[in-house]
Amino acid sequence: GENVEQHPSTLSVQEGDSAVIKCTYSDSASNYFPWYKQELGKRPQLIIDIRSNVGEKKDQRIAVTLNKTAKHFSLHITETQPEDSAVYFCAASMAGTALIFGKGTTLSVSS
Amino acid sequence: DAGITQSPRHKVTETGTPVTLRCHQTENHRYMYWYRQDPGHGLRLIHYSYGVKDTDKGEVSDGYSVSRSKTEDFLLTLESATSSQTSVYFCAISDLDMVDGSGNTIYFGEGSWLTVV
Repeated sequence: GENVEQHPSTLSVQEGDSAVIKCTYSDSASNYFPWYKQELGKRPQLIIDIRSNVGEKKDQRIAVTLNKTAKHFSLHITETQPEDSAVYFCAASMAGTALIFGKGTTLSVSS
Repeated sequence: DAGITQSPRHKVTETGTPVTLRCHQTENHRYMYWYRQDPGHGLRLIHYSYGVKDTDKGEVSDGYSVSRSKTEDFLLTLESATSSQTSVYFCAISDLDMVDGSGNTIYFGEGSWLTVV
């Protein structure tokens, strides 16, 4: 089955810096790659996703890139703010299968 | 937020007792999932359902069973709870797969905090 590795497990940045979180997946048939943000005590919420027919997607300060050949995808957050502090999860799936998640990255943005 | 209700939200139970967590959706989505979340392990799939009476095992299914007798309800049962099953349990739902053959977005419920003492 699918296996998703996520790095780093913790990331500390200064406000205004950029943050990058990287994930690799094992099943070349996976074609859907979402990212979730989870604040303390809350449910995970989708922040951005990408499908295998595109290489990059942006939404304001957040972008995701996908390299199908290398089987890895990354989340980029620019101009980080304290409210970006949270746990971020990557995941992978294909039609008919459940999302398999990475173990998460705890992002801390200090002002 | 997607119409997903989990119950109970918090529960403390004793080792060896049966426990059932309920997930109810009002979105008429095809897929329903149960994940557990533990520090250092992220979100791990327990079981999922792709239709009424259609279920499959996930990464960590041992000690858990599920049932889906109606589209809107997905039950997770711990037949005999153990301390290792102390966790936060999230139900999630998603709609039909995309026409391009890729998966669809999943939406999470608020979670159920289970403590087994």
